[in-house]
Amino acid sequence: DTAVSQTPKYLVTQMGNDKSIKCEQNLGHDTMYWYKQDSKKFLKIMFSYNNKELIINETVPNRFSPKSPDKAHLNLHINSLELGDSAVYFCASSQVNRGRGGYTFGSGTRLTVV
Amino acid sequence: DQQVKQNSPSLSVQEGRISILNCDYTNSMFDYFLWYKKYPAEGPTFLISISSIKDKNEDGRFTVFLNKSAKHLSLHIVPSQPGDSAVYFCAASRNSGYALNFGKGTSLLVTP
Repeated sequence: DTAVSQTPKYLVTQMGNDKSIKCEQNLGHDTMYWYKQDSKKFLKIMFSYNNKELIINETVPNRFSPKSPDKAHLNLHINSLELGDSAVYFCASSQVNRGRGGYTFGSGTRLTVV
Repeated sequence: DQQVKQNSPSLSVQEGRISILNCDYTNSMFDYFLWYKKYPAEGPTFLISISSIKDKNEDGRFTVFLNKSAKHLSLHIVPSQPGDSAVYFCAASRNSGYALNFGKGTSLLVTP
């Protein structure tokens, strides 16, 4: 039973398109995150939601919009895709208030913009 | 601004020997440090962590050492096994509720 699942695993799309990546966690965690791993292999935080509330919003273009319908889901919508958006996007979750622990990551979505 | 640095992009070690992966950080507010392991086409998986009140944490073959004055931590794997071959990410955070800051990763290859 996958703890953090992302769909799709691979996404190839043309410049200018709008696409969404979905993430769901069944761990009962209260916080979810989106990370981007670029071509230099940097894992960089994009957004974080705690109980459906946005708590971290790093310097990310407005074309990226996260949506959390409930605390088990955090979707990422990207408008007007650009070549530079090509990367692997990882969703993760954690339980912030139950002491420290690591994140649980999804397996990633490899986005290729052509 | 990269606050967590892993200066060795790769490391090759023989099976049975010790692997030592290093990590430096710049933000003195960090008080919690973690190591993650990542296989290709998978997400990072949590390996071991250490709080700033400790200088060592051990879990089986894995030990993390923290030197706060040097803002340095290291992961020791003894003995190294071929299945340990993966990318290892160092991460740090300020406190609960803050996002993890990751290093660029070190690719470990354990050869038979």
